[in-house]
Amino acid sequence: GNSVTQMEGPVTLSEEAFLTINCTYTATGYPSLFWYVQYPGEGLQLLLKATKADDKGSNKGFEATYRKETTSFHLEKGSVQVSDSAVYFCALSVNTGGFKTIFGAGTRLFVKA
Amino acid sequence: EPEVTQTPSHQVTQMGQEVILRCVPISNHLYFYWYRQILGQKVEFLVSFYNNEISEKSEIFDDQFSVERPDGSNFTLKIRSTKLEDSAMYFCASSGEVAPTGELFFGEGSRLTVL
Repeated sequence: GNSVTQMEGPVTLSEEAFLTINCTYTATGYPSLFWYVQYPGEGLQLLLKATKADDKGSNKGFEATYRKETTSFHLEKGSVQVSDSAVYFCALSVNTGGFKTIFGAGTRLFVKA
Repeated sequence: EPEVTQTPSHQVTQMGQEVILRCVPISNHLYFYWYRQILGQKVEFLVSFYNNEISEKSEIFDDQFSVERPDGSNFTLKIRSTKLEDSAMYFCASSGEVAPTGELFFGEGSRLTVL
């Protein structure tokens, strides 16, 4: 089946620290991969995406590379800010006749000043 | 900037009552979804909808749930007889790009509380 596994949180970092949130997936077929972010009291919004192997998605200093050989899509940022505090969701989308996007469990990030 | 809007923002209902949650997707989008999130945790897929029919649904989406696009703008989720475990935040999403590569645009959610 299709599933997404991401590291459990919460993750607590100091401002300007390096961030990695691990994400691995299993999929039938060839998925597209996404990172979504949810700020308190809001819906999810797309952070970045990659649609084929070795693609790197990037946005707002965040980046993730689609690694088919390790079935991974780890999120990284070189220097986090307090405003990055949010819940981050790894997701995959695959067309299996129908279509759906499924999400990992989410990783809550706290960034301290 | 176009956005997905959902109503109501919060609904409280008694167990066994019917609930309809409404969504207005972005106007030129063709793919529509409902998700739910319990206590700020995992975002669970319920159903996807395209070309006026269900494309895929999850095990959660049983006979108590239905979706409809009654007038070409609204997209509704009906829960026929609510249970306590239906208490959650329900998110509508839409996409303008061909699945599966398209970005989902989410509304701000409708919080359902079943007493």
